[in-house]
This record gives sequence, structure tokens and C-alpha cells, in this order.
Amino acid sequence: GQQVQQSPASLVLQEGENAELQCNFSSTATQLQWFYQRPGGSLVSLLYNPSGTKHTGRLTSTTVTKERRSSLHISSSQITDSGTYFCAMERRGNEKITFGAGTKLTIKP
Amino acid sequence: AQTIHQWPVAEIKAVGSPLSLGCTIKGKSSPNLYWYWQATGGTLQQLFYSITVGQVESVVQLNLSASRPKDDQFILSTEKLLLSHSGFYLCAWSLGLGAINQDTQYFGPGTRLLVL
Repeated sequence: GQQVQQSPASLVLQEGENAELQCNFSSTATQLQWFYQRPGGSLVSLLYNPSGTKHTGRLTSTTVTKERRSSLHISSSQITDSGTYFCAMERRGNEKITFGAGTKLTIKP
Repeated sequence: AQTIHQWPVAEIKAVGSPLSLGCTIKGKSSPNLYWYWQATGGTLQQLFYSITVGQVESVVQLNLSASRPKDDQFILSTEKLLLSHSGFYLCAWSLGLGAINQDTQYFGPGTRLLVL
């Protein structure tokens, strides 16, 4: 089945530092997305990025499909960026998502 | 504006008791609907998805069932809870083909379930 591996499992940074999160997937994923889960549980979609580089605000995701990897870069981290970041993949249109184990990010003042 | 509501917010139930969790989406017609489960401290696991009323596909077998009785309603249930059902249940909706697409997937606030 599909597998998604994320690294690191946890990351602690000082406010203002940049964060780099990695995601590796087992098959040539056709759809890939990054999600953020706030402490306490609610989940939001961050970036849809099946290939190439996408930006939104301080977030940049780069997906190299042939190498089966994606990264999420958070620049100038803020305390409110703390939480867990999940990478998820889906083969196009089959409606079945596989999530990675997540990276728990802690930003300290 | 579209809203997604889940009920109850939290539940404590006994092993062997029945369970029904609900999810309602307002402001969107014919959305794709999803149920996810997350063990405490764990990753998310997709349980079910539904593309249309009355049609539900199972992704993972966890002794749970789901139904979509109306276009805007998705129900997760079981007749007998297990300890392993404890966790966080999230409902979500999206439009377009596939669970992941350029149309964002929107999540509800979730239901926390503790089975004792």
C-alpha cells in the first residue's frame, strides 16, 4: 500500500528561525498536500503541491515527484506555528489518502 | 459561507455500548465527505469517504460503519464500542475529483471519544 514517511519526528526552534520538514512517499504520488494540526486538534489544509514549488505566505513547498519527496519550508517561524504538520498523498482521483506520522514543531520565544 | 459542524464535541462511553457521531455541512451542495480517526498522539487514518448520497466507501476496517442519509450529512456509528475506538474523529469535505486536489479539504472541529 501507499506509505508516507516524515522527518524529523519533532523539531524545536527559536522564534525567527526557519523550519524545514521532509516527506518521502512510496509511490509516484499524483496528489500531495501538507496539513497543519493545531495543538488541541483542528486540522487545516496548508499547501496542495503535487509537483514543483508552491508558496503561500511564509510557507514554501517543493515536491520532486520523480524522487518521491516533498519539503515544507517555514520562514521566520512564529510561536503560533507550533503544532503538528502532516504530509498526505493520494493517487489521483481514488479518494484514498495516506498520511505521514507528522512532524511536531515547537517554536520557543 | 460554508460551515461544517460535528457532534458531539466529546463523549465518554463504555466498552460494548453503541456510538453515533454526526457531521453536517452547510453552504455546499454535493460535497465529497470523509471520516478520519486519530489515536492520541498518532497520525490520521482515513476511515470512509462518500461521493454522493447513499453511497459510502470503506477505507479501513475498524468495526465502524458510516452512512450518508442526506447530501449534507455524514454519520459514523457502531453497535459495540471497543477500547481501540478511543481517539479523535474528524469529518471533512472537499469538491472536485479526489480527496486531495487544488480545492482545499475543509475539516470539522472534531469529536473526542474516550472508551472505558
